Amino acid sequence: ETGVTQSPTHLIKTRGQQVTLRCSSQSGHNTVSWYQQALGQGPQFIFQYYREEENGRGNFPPRFSGLQFPNYSSELNVNALELDDSALYLCASSIPRGHNTEAFFGQGTRLTVV
Amino acid sequence: EDQVTQSPEALRLQEGESSSLNCSYTVSGLRGLFWYRQDPGKGPEFLFTLYSAGEEKEKERLKATLTKKESFLHITAPKPEDSATYLCAVQAGSNYQLIWGAGTKLIIKP
Repeated sequence: ETGVTQSPTHLIKTRGQQVTLRCSSQSGHNTVSWYQQALGQGPQFIFQYYREEENGRGNFPPRFSGLQFPNYSSELNVNALELDDSALYLCASSIPRGHNTEAFFGQGTRLTVV
Repeated sequence: EDQVTQSPEALRLQEGESSSLNCSYTVSGLRGLFWYRQDPGKGPEFLFTLYSAGEEKEKERLKATLTKKESFLHITAPKPEDSATYLCAVQAGSNYQLIWGAGTKLIIKP
């Protein structure tokens, strides 16, 4: 158990709808990263939050947005869902210290868009 | 462009049959190379971090090594419970994001 929890674990949405995924980071970790993992692929970086500010963003459109709260938990919001958004969404928490950024992952949220 | 390639895509071994998984990378300014294990439907589980060429780390039946262009994950006398997808990721430059390979699916037959 990593201490990183994500909710919900599974979700089915219709194309065009909006979705919010939630992540509670491991105790003491002030950085949260979100990844999208398609079946049979490695995770793709969406964005990272450090102390409530976006700290980097991957190649995802603006309809993917996020928040980090003062307790370092985080949300991923996706608007105007498309079929290709179906994937496992992973949250990882870490503490950036020099070059050591071991990230610990939650169990993921499986999103299916129909 | 920073890139990580893992091979083979899948590997089937008999219990006790040792082998190695490969992760080759092309990045500017490697800050760290990470190995993770992922079971179906679950998030990746952290295994190792390697920072510089020549470094080695071990954990139970797994040993990770690093050169300037690739990393190997050696598995010695594997057991069926070692079956999983093994993912390699690198961190490069000033960005904290991880760049991932597609993984190697390892199946250990009893």
